[in-house]
Amino acid sequence: DAMVIQNPRYQVTQFGKPVTLSCSQTLNHNVMYWYQQKSSQAPKLLFHYYDKDFNNEADTPDNFQSRRPNTSFCFLDIRSPGLGDAAMYLCATSRPKDIQYFGAGTRLSVL
Amino acid sequence: AQSVTQPDIHITVSEGASLELRCNYSYGATPYLFWYVQSPGQGLQLLLKYFSGDTLVQGIKGFEAEFKRSQSSFNLRKPSVHWSDAAEYFCAVGAENRDDKIIFGKGTRLHILP
Repeated sequence: DAMVIQNPRYQVTQFGKPVTLSCSQTLNHNVMYWYQQKSSQAPKLLFHYYDKDFNNEADTPDNFQSRRPNTSFCFLDIRSPGLGDAAMYLCATSRPKDIQYFGAGTRLSVL
Repeated sequence: AQSVTQPDIHITVSEGASLELRCNYSYGATPYLFWYVQSPGQGLQLLLKYFSGDTLVQGIKGFEAEFKRSQSSFNLRKPSVHWSDAAEYFCAVGAENRDDKIIFGKGTRLHILP
């Protein structure tokens, strides 16, 4: 059974049109992460939450925002997607300083 | 600064042959080490982890890895690869005195010849 669920698996949006990606978990983990992964590259951490404490990476563009309304759900909002934001977006969860469990990802295309 | 190096971008092996994927890390603190595998269009799956204790760790799918502190390495091995092992492999490192983040290497893509 999937423990970290990302929806949708594929998302197509238009240049500049806001888009939201969702992630849910059944593991009750404190920490949730959002990564961006471009083709043939390593995942790049955008931000993570420890419970409700939000931790933004210094080089994450302001165009990317996140919300975590409760333990189970976390959202990635891209306010004005550009062509360079087309990528796979991966959500992960973990206990503190422990293994990260990844969802299957959302492939974002920007037209 | 901390870093993870996977020196091989691509590796090709024949089905049934043995495999070793290299990973070197640079870290000041006691590292936590991971190997993840990613099939095309999928998320990352944990193969194995090292936190402490026995330096030879066993993982899923017949993989193992050995932590060598003196060489700052955590190489992944499998005695006999299967066609289904073709994927991207990522080494990652975290540390006890850091926050919850881990750093990924750039990955090694494994190709299997029939």
